[in-house]
This record gives sequence, C-alpha cells and structure tokens, in this order.
Amino acid sequence: GQQLNQSPQSMFIQEGEDVSMNCTSSSIFNTWLWYKQDPGEGPVLLIALYKAGELTSNGRLTAQFGITRKDSFLNISASIPSDVGIYFCAGQLNAGNMLTFGGGTRLMVKP
Amino acid sequence: GAVVSQHPSRVICKSGTSVKIECRSLDFQATTMFWYRQFPKKSLMLMATSNEGSKATYEQGVEKDKFLINHASLTLSTLTVTSAHPEDSSFYICSATLSAQQFFGPGTRLTVL
Repeated sequence: GQQLNQSPQSMFIQEGEDVSMNCTSSSIFNTWLWYKQDPGEGPVLLIALYKAGELTSNGRLTAQFGITRKDSFLNISASIPSDVGIYFCAGQLNAGNMLTFGGGTRLMVKP
Repeated sequence: GAVVSQHPSRVICKSGTSVKIECRSLDFQATTMFWYRQFPKKSLMLMATSNEGSKATYEQGVEKDKFLINHASLTLSTLTVTSAHPEDSSFYICSATLSAQQFFGPGTRLTVL
C-alpha cells in the first residue's frame, strides 16, 4: 500500500534542543496526524491537522499541514527526556477512513 | 476520553495453534475498527477494516482465511490468527473510530514458537 516518507529515521539530541521532523507523500491527504508511540504501547495522538496551511500547537509541539496537502512537519521545542519515543505521521484521505503511516522517527534525548 | 483496550496484552503460543485477540471500545460505540500489524522498529501496516455487522475488508496481501476478523457488536472486534507460525509473530494493534477520529489500543504482542 501507499507509504509516507518520514524523515529523519532517528535523532539523538541533547535535552533542551529543538527537534524537527517531516513527512511527504506523492498524493494528497485531507487530514494529517502526528502520533507518539512508547515501547510496547499503541500510538497516542499528539496533533491533528485538518486544513491545508494550518499551523497547530499543543504545548511544546507545533505541526503544520503543508499547503500542497502532500506534506507535514512536526516541531518539538526544548526537548526533555520524556520526549523519547517513536513519532509517526499519518495521512487520512477522508474522515473515519484508514490511516497511512510514515516510517517513524525514533527520538532519543540525552539528559 | 475514548478508551480502547486489547486482550491479551501478550501471548505466546505453539506453532499450529490459533490465537484470538480482542479489541474493545470501552466508553463508546464504534461501527468501524481497524487492525494493524507492526514489526520491530517498523511502522504500522493496515491489515483490515472491521465493520460491525458485515464482512471485514482486507488489505492486499493479507489472507482473510489466516486472519479472521469478527465485529459482532459495536464495542468488540476480534482478530483470530489461525494456524499460527513463527512468521506471524508481531505486535498487533487495533483502533476504533469515534467522531472520525481513530483511537488506538495498547497492542498485543504475539510470539509463536
């Protein structure tokens, strides 16, 4: 099936640094979602984006829905150790439909 | 918030046996649930869409006779891995839809010996 290209695959950063990751697709999505997954757990929704060009924040997290509807980025500011985990982007064509996931970005934070 | 549970959280079984995994929406009703499979250090891959009261829709390459899905009620979908083999060992995650948003279960780790 279709895949989203997510980069980087992994990041090892110092506590306090900002982080940026992005996803691109060859086709458009009408919703972009960002999830975090801890080891042995299911994904938890961080931010949902519903309109092209939309910029949304959730605490230290900021995400944007690309104007072409084919990309999205997630920024984490002032990272802390509990930010460690795998971050996934997901695209959705229509509400309630299946999600297509990116390959994930593994974030490691050094205290 | 909407809570989705899975049972069991982990299961170890012998090759050739069948394993049933339950996905429940605890505080809401879901006409649609999704089943995903995740290999170590990989992304989630959709296996099938489970629709209450009708047959599941399987993604290309997923054997419907191997992975039986039953969505008998608005709060329960089950995935049965039939005649499991070691290559079926994986992390299986379900999600349930509420107000067009998907809420994920905590996953079930299946190990087939």
